[in-house]
Amino acid sequence: NAGVTQTPKFQVLKTGQSMTLQCAQDMNHEYMSWYRQDPGMGLRLIHYSVGAGITDQGEVPNGYNVSRSTTEDFPLRLLSAAPSQTSVYFCASSYSAASTDTQYFGPGTRLTVL
Amino acid sequence: KQEVTQIPAALSVPEGENLVLNCSFTDSAIYNLQWFRQDPGKGLTSLLLIQSSQREQTSGRLNASLDKSSGRSTLYIAASQPGDSATYLCAVKVYSGGGADGLTFGKGTHLIIQP
Repeated sequence: NAGVTQTPKFQVLKTGQSMTLQCAQDMNHEYMSWYRQDPGMGLRLIHYSVGAGITDQGEVPNGYNVSRSTTEDFPLRLLSAAPSQTSVYFCASSYSAASTDTQYFGPGTRLTVL
Repeated sequence: KQEVTQIPAALSVPEGENLVLNCSFTDSAIYNLQWFRQDPGKGLTSLLLIQSSQREQTSGRLNASLDKSSGRSTLYIAASQPGDSATYLCAVKVYSGGGADGLTFGKGTHLIIQP
């Protein structure tokens, strides 16, 4: 299994540009989520999904869109990039949202918005 | 709102020492607590998961305890090695009535093991 994969690893955008961060998992996990990690702060939840066709907002959803058309993929879209969205983005998955399920994280995408 | 605090923020010890990392959380209504390891420029690797009904979990040289009533967890690392150098993150999972929310993370403890 490849686990959780994310592309690209690095990206530089200009203010106002849009882009999609890709996330895929091959473990047949129902639960997937996106976090951002900023210096001096803990990881913060952006959006999550409990299964195909179901998404919900986390702590910091503004400026981001998600969709879940398949179990495997959970892309994160930046609609109009802003410098405040400069961060490292992590995708995570688990078998379900149950308390027993370990979350597995991807390697991250480092995004810089100029 | 759940808040997670990790102490110390940084720790440097010589190889071979036993050490304890601390994590505290403000709301005891958690579903589980996880300890992760993060190496520079990398993703997070899950080390241990403790369900709210459990008191501790062990994996190799690692032992994590949970005292839900006092809002505390500790990660004990025995016989530390240079390869243990990393940032250790504590995270709690809270289930809100509206859905399966994610994890709330602490800021981490940056650990350096001196050879």
